[in-house]
Amino acid sequence: DAKTTQPTSMDCAEGRAANLPCNHSTISGNEYVYWYRQIHSQGPQYIIHGLKNNETNEMASLIITEDRKSSTLILPHATLRDTAVYYCIVRVAQGAGTASKLTFGTGTRLQVTL
Amino acid sequence: NAGVMQNPRHLVRRRGQEARLRCSPMKGHSHVYWYRQLPEEGLKFMVYLQKENIIDESGMPKERFSAEFPKEGPSILRIQQVVRGDSAAYFCASSPHNIIRGDTEAFFGQGTRLTVV
Repeated sequence: DAKTTQPTSMDCAEGRAANLPCNHSTISGNEYVYWYRQIHSQGPQYIIHGLKNNETNEMASLIITEDRKSSTLILPHATLRDTAVYYCIVRVAQGAGTASKLTFGTGTRLQVTL
Repeated sequence: NAGVMQNPRHLVRRRGQEARLRCSPMKGHSHVYWYRQLPEEGLKFMVYLQKENIIDESGMPKERFSAEFPKEGPSILRIQQVVRGDSAAYFCASSPHNIIRGDTEAFFGQGTRLTVV
């Protein structure tokens, strides 16, 4: 799976949008971009994933650049409960019947403040 | 639909004892992954199993660790003769067998915190 690069830490004021960047310049055409977060040693929580189109769900939006070498996770209105470590992962979708492992890097520690 | 269930949530073992960690995947999920997280470190992949088969065990220590996912019942991660360095949080994740699309998300349990004394 391709390597990703994320900032070590970020701060965001509560109520503002949190924009978390991720570089994955060596991503292959069959690799998806996944985002997970881990709140204070709980189990990682799935947020969103995409291939090349922008995606949105009830938690966040994922913006993937046209060349797919980078992406941004957007939490539109951050709250204190969004304080967590956010992991950007690229993962091969191996086709029918199989699923490859998720390889976690060091992630971005997002601190949401009052 | 219950999430991924891991038990026990906390486990204390003396050095040399065996630890058994159980993971019940979400209903309908046939893929299970185990991860280990040492204190203040990231999640490290250990093993990936489908029902009755080990698919990828590239992250498993060569000795004392084993995993299974039987046809019936939960997946088990077994650590024999535990040492203090085995103290960590062990997370299990599951994902569905998806025969239409190749992309599947994995859902994690809340982990088992193993302390070796």
